Amino acid sequence: EIVMTQSPATLSVSPGERATLSCWASQSVSSKVAWYQQKPGQAPRLLIYGVSTRATGIPPRFSGSGSGTEFTLTISSLQSEDFAVYFCQHYSNWPFTFGPGTKVDI
Amino acid sequence: EVQLVESGGGLVQPGGSLRLSCAASGFTFSTSAMHWVRQPLGKGLEHVAAINYNGANTYYANSVKGRSIISRDNSRNTLYLQMGSLRVEDMAVYYCARFTGYSMDLWGQGTTVTVSS
Repeated sequence: EIVMTQSPATLSVSPGERATLSCWASQSVSSKVAWYQQKPGQAPRLLIYGVSTRATGIPPRFSGSGSGTEFTLTISSLQSEDFAVYFCQHYSNWPFTFGPGTKVDI
Repeated sequence: EVQLVESGGGLVQPGGSLRLSCAASGFTFSTSAMHWVRQPLGKGLEHVAAINYNGANTYYANSVKGRSIISRDNSRNTLYLQMGSLRVEDMAVYYCARFTGYSMDLWGQGTTVTVSS
């Protein structure tokens, strides 16, 4: 089973600032990584798939990069609605494990 | 409207059984791979089961293997997760999600399973 790790666990930022979230896979997952946003009491929402492709309706301030085992989600200028927990996930092989999440708060 | 709606959660005693359902609408369910993901309260996401578009292939996390069965009824646009021998550690919000081959792009609102005596 591929283990996904995320850092930091919590990221405290101010509105308008840039946020950089990191995700590592215990072995290569090629470009098969997605990122999800989850707000309290809500289901996860797809942000990014294939490392860097934004899902429908996701604003361009969200971007993804990386390959192999190291991946990054960048939020260029945080808006109030972006404060949430972010999970990375691989879909290279079964099971499609998730990282433990990074909480982005004020 | 494109949506997934889970149901069937509730309170069950340890060792008990439960069948979760996920009703799909607004898209072609019969051509979609479907997954179940769970989330214990305040914790992360765990991928527990998956099924391909026609039910011929299924996958289970080790944590539920042998105790759970994922299935689907394409005539009813519904996904199921039959869970047995439930444990306290199975307590979570259970989400169904559509998998496109690239991501889980559509999620339900979740149904809560509580395991307690």
